[in-house]
Amino acid sequence: SSELTQDPAVSVALGQTVRITCQGDSLRSYFASWYQQKPGQAPILVIYGKNNRPSGIPDRFSGSSSGNTASLIITGAQAEDEADYYCNSRDSSSNPVFGTGTKVTVL
Amino acid sequence: QVQLVESGGGMVQPGRSLRLSCAASGFTFSAYGIHWVRQAPGKGLEWVAVIWYDGSNTYYADSVKGRFTISRDNSKNTLYLQMNSLRAEDTAVYYCARDRYYYDSSGYYNWFDPWGQGTLVTVSS
Repeated sequence: SSELTQDPAVSVALGQTVRITCQGDSLRSYFASWYQQKPGQAPILVIYGKNNRPSGIPDRFSGSSSGNTASLIITGAQAEDEADYYCNSRDSSSNPVFGTGTKVTVL
Repeated sequence: QVQLVESGGGMVQPGRSLRLSCAASGFTFSAYGIHWVRQAPGKGLEWVAVIWYDGSNTYYADSVKGRFTISRDNSKNTLYLQMNSLRAEDTAVYYCARDRYYYDSSGYYNWFDPWGQGTLVTVSS
């Protein structure tokens, strides 16, 4: 079972802001990375490090972290942001572990 | 461009073996660790295994330890996953993904980028 917990689903009105959270003890020691996955597609990286976006990822995506919680924030959500989002960090054995995933619906 | 392409998936009976490949291009393959990550139908992502850039170290998820072997051939820019004693619960899309990391005074940062498109493994009688 995953040691990183995410809300199963969140919804956001078009153009509004949504925060996706990821909770786990390992987040006190390791920073999270975030991945977007659309149906039938491979995951893509959207946030890494303290708050870095790969080339091509819109600046409406940002990340933050506090204590045992990491967050992915989408400011001004667009229809194309509808997807599953996964956080990633380390487990108690220092192996990579993914969060349980959050399905984001843009209304 | 930086690219990973998996192959070798298919349908296999329980207890049998299968070998997946992941061909890399657009970057210096021998300088990076590479992971396998899988996703069962309708489920989330599960990390499977990692191999260091030079093949000197490998690590596995408990769910595959002793059955799966990750390896690489840096002369061929190719990563492998040998899967033995396959079970129905190994049914998934298998992705390879490049390891990235850095350290600073605040800590250790690690991420996966890019990912391949995935190859489907179905274990069924």
